[in-house]
Order: sequence, then C-alpha cells, then structure tokens
Amino acid sequence: KQEVTQIPAALSVPEGENLVLNCSFTDSAIYNLQWFRQDPGKGLTSLLLIQSSQREQTSGRLNASLDKSSGRSTLYIAASQPGDSATYLCAGGPSNDYKLSFGAGTTVTVRA
Amino acid sequence: DAMVIQNPRYQVTQFGKPVTLSCSQTLNHNVMYWYQQKSSQAPKLLFHYYDKDFNNEADTPDNFQSRRPNTSFCFLDIRSPGLGDAAMYLCATSVRTGAHTEAFFGQGTRLTVV
Repeated sequence: KQEVTQIPAALSVPEGENLVLNCSFTDSAIYNLQWFRQDPGKGLTSLLLIQSSQREQTSGRLNASLDKSSGRSTLYIAASQPGDSATYLCAGGPSNDYKLSFGAGTTVTVRA
Repeated sequence: DAMVIQNPRYQVTQFGKPVTLSCSQTLNHNVMYWYQQKSSQAPKLLFHYYDKDFNNEADTPDNFQSRRPNTSFCFLDIRSPGLGDAAMYLCATSVRTGAHTEAFFGQGTRLTVV
C-alpha cells in the first residue's frame, strides 16, 4: 500500500522567503503526481500535475519536481506572500488504477 | 465556473439519522471519487466509480454507500451516522485515458453529527 509523507507538517516564514515543501512515497512506482492547495474548511484546488513523462512542472511562482527513482517530489514557492498561507497536499497514483494516495499536507503560514 | 459542485457545503445530522451528500460535475469525466478527510489528516478514499462500475475500498465501512445514476451525479449515503463520521467529504473527478490523470475536486461538504 502506498504511503505518502510530507515534511514538514507546518512551516511559518516571513513574506518574501522562498518555500520548499517535500513529499515522499514508499512505492516509487507512481504514474502521475499532483500538488493541491487547501484553504481552511474548503476543498482541494489543483496546483500542478506532473505527468508520467515529465520531471517537473511550473506555474507562475510555483515549481514542482518529481524524482521517481527516489520516490520524492518537491514543491517550490518563490517569493512567498501572505495569500500563500494554506495547506499544501501532494498525491500520486499508480498507472494501473485511478486511486490517489495523499499525504497529510504541510500547513504554511506566511507572515506579513 | 465551478466544475465539481458539492451540496450542501455544510450538513448537520443527528446521530443515527441517514444523510445523503451530493456531487455533480460539468466535466463529463468518467471517474468519480468520494474521499473522507478528518482534521489535519490525509484524504482517505472511500470508493470510486469508473463509469458505472463501483469500486469499494476494503476498509470502507458498510455504513457508507454510494450511487451514481448518471455521468454527472454521484451521491454518498451514510445510513447511520456516528460521531466518528464527522468529517469533510470530498468529491473528485478524473478522466480515464489509459492511466491516472488530473483529478478535480469540489469544495467539500462538512458533516457534523450531533
């Protein structure tokens, strides 16, 4: 069974600092990997999808990388802003079914 | 425009009283999922549909049922809610193109059991 770990569980940084969020999988045989944002009491918003043939994906200040050999993914958020405060979750699925395994998330607080 | 819509956003139900949560999608995706998320925990998959094929997770309690009458709608029925069923329930969709693809989530339904 796929286990997903996100470290750290919580992070507090001053505005403008770059953020590095880590995600690791026990089974490196993941197909696609997705990063989500969750605001308190809300659903999940998809941020980035790294597909099977890719090693990284970028959107604005966000960059996510995936190293399948080590079973690790990293989400970088450049020049953090207070609006980036949220919980960030990673999730991956194998190629042979459609189930996403999630980490518990990293809760980020960006201080103004 | 919202693509995965969950109703209601907040639901309060009495202990033991059946409750139904609904999810609709405008994406025409053939895979729909229901996840349960408790505070500060990872979302846990309860079941998913690939078209009309229902797939139950082995550890999903029998108290939880689901219906998918058509492509657009999916329902989660909790037959006898207990205090431990209080959680955020998340609906998601994706499209099958041979393997897992991007998943889209709704805003969730926060269930309170009193």
